[in-house]
Amino acid sequence: DTGVSQDPRHKITKRGQNVTFRCDPISEHNRLYWYRQTLGQGPEFLTYFQNEAQLEKSRLLSDRFSAERPKGSFSTLEIQRTEQGDSAMYLCASSLPQGVTGELFFGEGSRLTVL
Amino acid sequence: DAKTTQPNSMESNEEEPVHLPCNHSTISGTDYIHWYRQLPSQGPEYVIHGLTSNVNNRMASLAIAEDRKSSTLILHRATLRDAAVYYCILSRQPHYGGSQGNLIFGKGTKLSVKP
Repeated sequence: DTGVSQDPRHKITKRGQNVTFRCDPISEHNRLYWYRQTLGQGPEFLTYFQNEAQLEKSRLLSDRFSAERPKGSFSTLEIQRTEQGDSAMYLCASSLPQGVTGELFFGEGSRLTVL
Repeated sequence: DAKTTQPNSMESNEEEPVHLPCNHSTISGTDYIHWYRQLPSQGPEYVIHGLTSNVNNRMASLAIAEDRKSSTLILHRATLRDAAVYYCILSRQPHYGGSQGNLIFGKGTKLSVKP
C-alpha cells in the first residue's frame, strides 16, 4: 500500500451534472477526511469518518454534497447539481485513531472543473 | 480556534538552512502545533508536530518558544524539492473541545529555493 488513492484525478463537467469522487485510504487507517481547496487558499475541512460513521460535517458541506464510507474502507464524495463555485481540488486524507493530533496522510486530490 | 500568522513568502538558497516562523499568540495549553507542506499539484504532506518541547525528525526540526506563542520550522539544508507552501496549524485535543477532523489551514508561507 503506497498511500491514499483518489479517483478520478481530474473531472470536467457541465453545470447541473452530478459527480462522484472515490478515496481509498491507507488500509489500516480507520479515520478518513475530506477537504476542499480552491486556488490560492489552504485546504478547508468538509467532513470526517471514523470507520463507517460520519462524525463531523462542516457548514461547507451543503445539502448538494453527500459523503459515504459504507464498509469503513473506501469513501465516496458526491456532488449533485454542480455549480461553478464547486470548482476546486477535493482532497482525501486518512489517519490512525489519534486523528488530527497526529499525522494525516493526504492523497493527491481530485480536481473538479465545472463549466 | 486559535489562529496562526505566517509570512506570505520566503526565499532560500539551496543547501542553506531555512527558518520558517509562525506566530500563534492565542494558543492554549492543550493545542498541538502542526506543520504540513504542499508541493505543486500535490496534496499536503505532514512535516512535524509538537506540543511543548522541541521536536526533530528526518525532515525538519520544530522549535517552540518557551511561552508557546510562536514556533519555527527549521529545514537544515534546503533542497529544490523543499520548494512548497508550508502551513502552520494548531489543533486542540478533542477531549478539550477540539474538532476530531478539522485542521484549519491558513494560506501558509510559499518557500522558494534558489539553486
